[in-house]
Amino acid sequence: DGGITQSPKYLFRKEGQNVTLSCEQNLNHDAMYWYRQDPGQGLRLIYYSQIVNDFQKGDIAEGYSVSREKKESFPLTVTSAQKNPTAFYLCASSIADRTRNQPQHFGDGTRLSIL
Amino acid sequence: SQKIEQNSEALNIQEGKTATLTCNYTNYSPAYLQWYRQDPGRGPVFLLLIRENEKEKRKERLKVTFDTTLKQSLFHITASQPADSATYLCALASSNTGKLIFGQGTTLQVKP
Repeated sequence: DGGITQSPKYLFRKEGQNVTLSCEQNLNHDAMYWYRQDPGQGLRLIYYSQIVNDFQKGDIAEGYSVSREKKESFPLTVTSAQKNPTAFYLCASSIADRTRNQPQHFGDGTRLSIL
Repeated sequence: SQKIEQNSEALNIQEGKTATLTCNYTNYSPAYLQWYRQDPGRGPVFLLLIRENEKEKRKERLKVTFDTTLKQSLFHITASQPADSATYLCALASSNTGKLIFGQGTTLQVKP
């Protein structure tokens, strides 16, 4: 079955440590997205990519980095510069949104906590 | 500034009744609006999309309305079931930027 796989489900970060969250999709989608979800808040866009080897900052990109070397993969690194990283991180993908009306398909998230 | 508001209080209804959830927005000119369902510890799942030139959209027991004058969308679940219990998110795409902006979601609890 096609879908998006995020790993790990739970991740713990020590002070000063970078951690990388994995996101893989086999839906053949061009566009991929990373969101952060905090309790009582909507999803906030961190980074997005419309095509391989290209990505753009979202609304809260500070302290995060991404790469898009393959169509299927869009890993997110939470760097030590992100001072409040504890959150639920969601990866999504969609067909290239030239018509701006494509629904997004989500993975089941990674919950990151600070040790 | 652009803002999307969904009722942060949980909605509790009896099985068989119609649930109505509200999504209000300000300072947007959305080209379309989407509704998603999210279960605890899971990612959102797409339910319905409605365009700015559509007044109403239906899918099985679901109905969405979109009033660009009131800047509001209503999401209805008829003949609700306990399995409908979840958090429902609305999302708008600006006709300018094309980016999806999500509301904080409303939690629905359907009691048997």
